[in-house]
Amino acid sequence: DAGITQSPRHKVTETGTPVTLRCHQTENHRYMYWYRQDPGHGLRLIHYSYGVKDTDKGEVSDGYSVSRSKTEDFLLTLESATSSQTSVYFCAISGGQGRTNTGELFFGEGSRLTVL
Amino acid sequence: AQKITQTQPGMFVQEKEAVTLDCTYDTSDPSYGLFWYKQPSSGEMIFLIYQGSYDQQNATEGRYSLNFQKARKSANLVISASQLGDSAMYFCAMREPETSGSRLTFGEGTQLTVNP
Repeated sequence: DAGITQSPRHKVTETGTPVTLRCHQTENHRYMYWYRQDPGHGLRLIHYSYGVKDTDKGEVSDGYSVSRSKTEDFLLTLESATSSQTSVYFCAISGGQGRTNTGELFFGEGSRLTVL
Repeated sequence: AQKITQTQPGMFVQEKEAVTLDCTYDTSDPSYGLFWYKQPSSGEMIFLIYQGSYDQQNATEGRYSLNFQKARKSANLVISASQLGDSAMYFCAMREPETSGSRLTFGEGTQLTVNP
């Protein structure tokens, strides 16, 4: 199994408070991703990183920011949480595409965030 | 932009029978990859099978096979001899080029229920 951990796994917070989710990998993979999962929407990409300090937006990036200061850590921050950000957040990692790499994503166990 | 469509929100199958989960995709890139993931009720994302756009043969992994019809832009998952443990949500996903971070775009998922 890919070494990827998310923290916290569960969090309840109030509207307007900042929240940071952490993703930590031990695989030295180049790519890291944050997705959110909501009923009827599958998984939607929030932000991704293609290297240290290199990040880009996904399809649902509004209200979220990310940082990657080390290969192994990718942080997702909600500056001021809203009820619409109640969701399950998945971190994923990938070694990218290549001769032997399909670009498969390895997922963390998910972080359930509830914003009251 | 890439798009993945799963038209079956829910599917039911009898134990030991085969079932096909539909997936169609849309892309203008000649090189792409298609994935299927399983998400049981416990929530983790489990990689099942991969098909590259240039692969001549359909991918198979044990009881899973991918019916890849390039001209029709479909990548259906076939599960043979269904088991009770196959009851889960199934997601089809397409990989974007490495220039776009090798990110995956997911469909909305199909909830499969295997009846005894």
